[in-house]
Amino acid sequence: SQTIHQWPATLVQPVGSPLSLECTVEGTSNPNLYWYRQAAGRGLQLLFYSVGIGQISSEVPQNLSASRPQDRQFILSSKKLLLSDSGFYLCAWSSGARPTFGSGTRLTVV
Amino acid sequence: GENVEQHPSTLSVQEGDSAVIKCTYSDSASNYFPWYKQELGKRPQLIIDIRSNVGEKKDQRIAVTLNKTAKHFSLHITETQPEDSAVYFCAASPPGGSNYKLTFGKGTLLTVNP
Repeated sequence: SQTIHQWPATLVQPVGSPLSLECTVEGTSNPNLYWYRQAAGRGLQLLFYSVGIGQISSEVPQNLSASRPQDRQFILSSKKLLLSDSGFYLCAWSSGARPTFGSGTRLTVV
Repeated sequence: GENVEQHPSTLSVQEGDSAVIKCTYSDSASNYFPWYKQELGKRPQLIIDIRSNVGEKKDQRIAVTLNKTAKHFSLHITETQPEDSAVYFCAASPPGGSNYKLTFGKGTLLTVNP
């Protein structure tokens, strides 16, 4: 069966520091991969999605970037975090089916 | 792009009552409408979904209805239980093969009082 791993679960980072969140999927090949952000008390906002290695589509202009160095690995990065980057970051995957979410990373920028 | 509106933002019901959450979407090309349940601090989990070629779908106490003409869809939970308490999100996705690019509503906080 397919599983999705996301880490770390929580992260506290100072303003201006870099960020790297990682997501991996097991049990499937060539999945579609997504990064969503959920701000406190708000809905889920699609940040990036990828249909294959090296193929990244950005939905919202921001100081975040995404990369897919391997088929089942999706990375969310930032060179310099802003306070407004705080939130709950969720990776998701789909492969001819509805998206399934990872357990999320709660990022607090201080 | 797609825009999904969800109402109400909060809903409180007594155990055993029914709960209804409504969503409207803007893109008439959207053809896939899932509903997710998110408990506090947890990941959203799919509870039911419907495609545009179907008007209604039911799974035990949960049902979803879709009106393509009016571009709205609703989640119905019958015989609510305290464990139904959570935030519920509707979403819509345009056609795109297996690439489900979902646009979410802002969520409904459902509280079921014992």
